[in-house]
Amino acid sequence: AQSVTQLGSHVSVSEGALVLLRCNYSSSVPPYLFWYVQYPNQGLQLLLKYTTGATLVKGINGFEAEFKKSETSFHLTKPSAHMSDAAEYFCAVSPMNRDDKIIFGKGTRLHILP
Amino acid sequence: DSGVTQTPKHLITATGQRVTLRCSPRSGDLSVYWYQQSLDQGLQFLIQYYNGEERAKGNILERFSAQQFPDLHSELNLSSLELGDSALYFCAPTPADTQYFGPGTRLTVL
Repeated sequence: AQSVTQLGSHVSVSEGALVLLRCNYSSSVPPYLFWYVQYPNQGLQLLLKYTTGATLVKGINGFEAEFKKSETSFHLTKPSAHMSDAAEYFCAVSPMNRDDKIIFGKGTRLHILP
Repeated sequence: DSGVTQTPKHLITATGQRVTLRCSPRSGDLSVYWYQQSLDQGLQFLIQYYNGEERAKGNILERFSAQQFPDLHSELNLSSLELGDSALYFCAPTPADTQYFGPGTRLTVL
């Protein structure tokens, strides 16, 4: 079975500050890991995903995430927050190399303070 | 543009009614997954079809059903609608291609 825990349903950071959104997962098989962003009244947009290989994954809009198997974590970071980063972020997991559903976390709403 | 299309974009209807949501995949996508995003339940998997056959079921209500047609487009049928069915409904291909989530259909039940 698989599950995702996102720590903090709301996170506020100042513009220009580091963004850190935390995600821990549970998976009985090697996972695919994903981060999605959702802007108000819009659909889901894939920020980045981990499949295999390099554990530091770079995504769009300056975001990156690091897969740490020992910590079962996949935290999302961005060095310098922009006002346009205000949105809801979802971490998700799916079993690797299997045609199986994605399990989503409950989401973290990111607020950017001027 | 993900290449996956969903129609309609918005749907407003009344309790007790029946609606059909449509998903048109990218060329070659044999799998389709349906997800529901609601305020109460968050984002959850509903059902999967593969090449016309039901493959897996998630938290899908008995009032809901889906089909995948020979041309691989899929429909999600929601009947006897309740206020709590108001949500955003997404379709997507296999997880390996999840950058191709459809834009969603926003269903509002009044």
